[in-house]
Amino acid sequence: AQKITQTQPGMFVQEKEAVTLDCTYDTSDPSYGLFWYKQPSSGEMIFLIYQGSYDQQNATEGRYSLNFQKARKSANLVISASQLGDSAMYFCAMREGRDNFNKFYFGSGTKLNVKP
Amino acid sequence: SAVISQKPSRDICQRGTSLTIQCQVDSQVTMMFWYRQQPGQSLTLIATANQGSEATYESGFVIDKFPISRPNLTFSTLTVSNMSPEDSSIYLCSAGWVGNEQYFGPGTRLTVT
Repeated sequence: AQKITQTQPGMFVQEKEAVTLDCTYDTSDPSYGLFWYKQPSSGEMIFLIYQGSYDQQNATEGRYSLNFQKARKSANLVISASQLGDSAMYFCAMREGRDNFNKFYFGSGTKLNVKP
Repeated sequence: SAVISQKPSRDICQRGTSLTIQCQVDSQVTMMFWYRQQPGQSLTLIATANQGSEATYESGFVIDKFPISRPNLTFSTLTVSNMSPEDSSIYLCSAGWVGNEQYFGPGTRLTVT
């Protein structure tokens, strides 16, 4: 079974609107971390936001927030007030266990296009 | 945030040759990771590099093809050996620090002709 599933290969959003990028995960480990990365066309991976499995509150970082629904095993990224510079690939990832030595599992990504 | 640099940023190589990619981090880390991203695909972990021991390779990746060195706590290299066009990818190194941050280098864009 896939560890991380992103079901939206591509998304369009109007500038200044909010957009939600979906991510579901599969793990039996009670301790895990969920990450979102942005990859512009330059290829670098930019860390956006982190959510721990034991965190009580949804993570937020500026215009990014993570809608964490543990029972549904979903960790959707919400980008508010979209900007043209948000156009990029977005990857959801999971790391099982408490160790930051453990490997990541990546989803297939969602390509976001922000329209002016 | 941590800084990870990679060299070269891109290269075009002939089939059958080898390329060594360098990854430098600006603070000491225990584990470093090497990923491959084939065109239009997600990231796939090649191996995990721990300082002072041999790298641990994921299924489908072997040391003869992707030898890795980890001579100290801030540096690692990945060599792509006997290259073929199928090796054309972005290669990224990554490292984790105390806490929950995991950062990536800017990537090396490799084209094999």
